[in-house]
Amino acid sequence: AQKITQTQPGMFVQEKEAVTLDCTYDTSDQSYGLFWYKQPSSGEMIFLIYQGSYDEQNATEGRYSLNFQKARKSANLVISASQLGDSAMYFCAMREIYNNNDMRFGAGTRLTVKP
Amino acid sequence: NAGVTQTPKFQVLKTGQSMTLQCAQDMNHEYMSWYRQDPGMGLRLIHYSVGAGITDQGEVPNGYNVSRSTTEDFPLRLLSAAPSQTSVYFCASSPLPGQGSYEQYFGPGTRLTVT
Repeated sequence: AQKITQTQPGMFVQEKEAVTLDCTYDTSDQSYGLFWYKQPSSGEMIFLIYQGSYDEQNATEGRYSLNFQKARKSANLVISASQLGDSAMYFCAMREIYNNNDMRFGAGTRLTVKP
Repeated sequence: NAGVTQTPKFQVLKTGQSMTLQCAQDMNHEYMSWYRQDPGMGLRLIHYSVGAGITDQGEVPNGYNVSRSTTEDFPLRLLSAAPSQTSVYFCASSPLPGQGSYEQYFGPGTRLTVT
C-alpha cells in the first residue's frame, strides 16, 4: 500500500525567504504522480504542482518548485520568496497510475509566514 | 464551468440518522472520489469511482455507501450516523491517469457534525 510521510507538522519562515516542505513516499509502482495541495484557513484545496515519476526535470510553477529525488523517494516542495498569503496547510499526495488510480495524502505541514 | 459542487455546506445530524451528501462535476471527469478530513490526519479516501456504474472502497469505507449512475454525480450516503463520522467531507474529480494532467479538483467541502 502506498504511504505518504510529511515529517514537519509545522514550519515558520520569514517573509521573502525560501522554505522547503518535506515529503517522502513509498510505492512499489514505477508509474505514479506526485502532487502538492495548499489548504488555506478558508478550507478549500488548491492544486499547486505535479511531478510525474518519469519526468527527468523537477517541476516548477511560478514560486513553487518540486525537488524530486526518485531514488530517495522524496518530493519536497520549495516555495521561494514567501508571502504572507502562503500561510496555510500544505499536503503532499501520490497517485499510482495503474493501481486503483486513487490519490493518497500525507498528514500535512502547517506553514506560517512571519512579517 | 462550476467545477465540483457539494451540498450542503454544513449539516448537523443526530446519532442514527441517515443522510446523503451530494457531489456533482461538470468537467466530464471519469474519476470521482470522497475524502474525509479529520484534524491532524490529512485526507483519507472513503470511496472512489472510475466511471458510471463502477465504485470501489478506499481506506475508510465503513458506514458509507456510494453509487455512480451518471458521469456527473457521485453521492455519498451515511446509513446510520455516528459521532465518529463528525468530519469535513471533500468530493473530488479528475480525468483518469493517462488522459493528460490528472490532478484532482476538489469541491468546497461539507462540514458534518454528528451529536
